[in-house]
Amino acid sequence: NAGVMQNPRHLVRRRGQEARLRCSPMKGHSHVYWYRQLPEEGLKFMVYLQKENIIDESGMPKERFSAEFPKEGPSILRIQQVVRGDSAAYFCASSQGPQETQYFGPGTRLLVL
Amino acid sequence: AQRVTQPEKLLSVFKGAPVELKCNYSYSGSPELFWYVQYSRQRLQLLLRHISRESIKGFTADLNKGETSFHLKKPFAQEEDSAMYYCALKEGGGQNFVFGPGTRLSVLP
Repeated sequence: NAGVMQNPRHLVRRRGQEARLRCSPMKGHSHVYWYRQLPEEGLKFMVYLQKENIIDESGMPKERFSAEFPKEGPSILRIQQVVRGDSAAYFCASSQGPQETQYFGPGTRLLVL
Repeated sequence: AQRVTQPEKLLSVFKGAPVELKCNYSYSGSPELFWYVQYSRQRLQLLLRHISRESIKGFTADLNKGETSFHLKKPFAQEEDSAMYYCALKEGGGQNFVFGPGTRLSVLP
């Protein structure tokens, strides 16, 4: 089991472009969580998804950010019209169930120029 | 709102010395507390959780509800313990973690 996979590991975008971050959960896991880590800060919860459903998006910014976890394929975190403040490390975690241990991916480091 | 604080950004100790990484939280309900560790060039991984009351790699942590603390302790630090340590809180029955800012532990030879 390769663990939670995230790609790309590093992503550079210019202001106004779109960023797409992918997360493939561990085999057998149907629950995915996205976190953002700003410099010098802890991870902050963004969104929790099950297959095809958004369960909790209380940590997502109201605009420009969206997430999906389709029936087939990885979960996608999409940031439209990126701004410099979006530069951060974005971590994905997955679990077998809502109360089970979350296993983290290596993160995607987004840099907005 | 839930909040987790880790007052030390960096903690340096000598090999063999005791180590304590502090964590305080604010939450009105019954939280679950965790410690996560991230070794150099590795992904974040669970170290221990308070409900397990176990010792992992010599580390222990006791939940003190009176002081709202969950400090991580090890009696004799090893060089391989050098890493970033994050304290995290989860609402009882909830799914979302609130992480502290992290403490970088450096164990000197």
